[in-house]
Amino acid sequence: AQTVTQSQPEMSVQEAETVTLSCTYDTSENNYYLFWYKQPPSRQMILVIRQEAYKQQNATENRFSVNFQKAAKSFSLKISDSQLGDTAMYFCAHAGGTSYGKLTFGQGTILTVHP
Amino acid sequence: SAVISQKPSRDICQRGTSLTIQCQVDSQVTMMFWYRQQPGQSLTLIATANQGSEATYESGFVIDKFPISRPNLTFSTLTVSNMSPEDSSIYLCSVNREFYYNEQFFGPGTRLTVL
Repeated sequence: AQTVTQSQPEMSVQEAETVTLSCTYDTSENNYYLFWYKQPPSRQMILVIRQEAYKQQNATENRFSVNFQKAAKSFSLKISDSQLGDTAMYFCAHAGGTSYGKLTFGQGTILTVHP
Repeated sequence: SAVISQKPSRDICQRGTSLTIQCQVDSQVTMMFWYRQQPGQSLTLIATANQGSEATYESGFVIDKFPISRPNLTFSTLTVSNMSPEDSSIYLCSVNREFYYNEQFFGPGTRLTVL
């Protein structure tokens, strides 16, 4: 079974600064995918970034990047130049290579960006 | 990306009654998923719904409590039966991005309150 752990229930950051959200996971699969999802107060789940486990290069999407440490089973999210609109709940999630979309989510981290 | 709508967006129901939640996608998709998000909690997969076959339920979820229909490739329903206050949650449907089976899009969710 897969597990995903987010050890930071809440984080805060000043606007324009950088923040890193932590995530660790455990999996029995050799091929898998990791995701960060954002859920603002509107509750719409939005995919932030995606990482394939077989790729060594860390994924980057504009201000969002990950630090994927496969051996340590760590998958942190770095948000640069934080904006007020980044305020949301952030979920780390895992999908096994053969699970075809079945996601296992972490507990979530509430991020607040202060002006 | 897929556009997903859910009805109703929210509802308040009495204990012992049932509610059917609808999920409509703007394109044909093979797999649809139903998740539950209890207050302040993470998302938990209820079941996977494939067109033309019985839904596959995750551990802790049963068909009698959460019957699912999948009559075609763009539509699914989830019924929450014989509700109790513990069923108060946000229910979300999601679909896989075609040809990227481990990337999911989520509907806006249905907020259910059971009194």
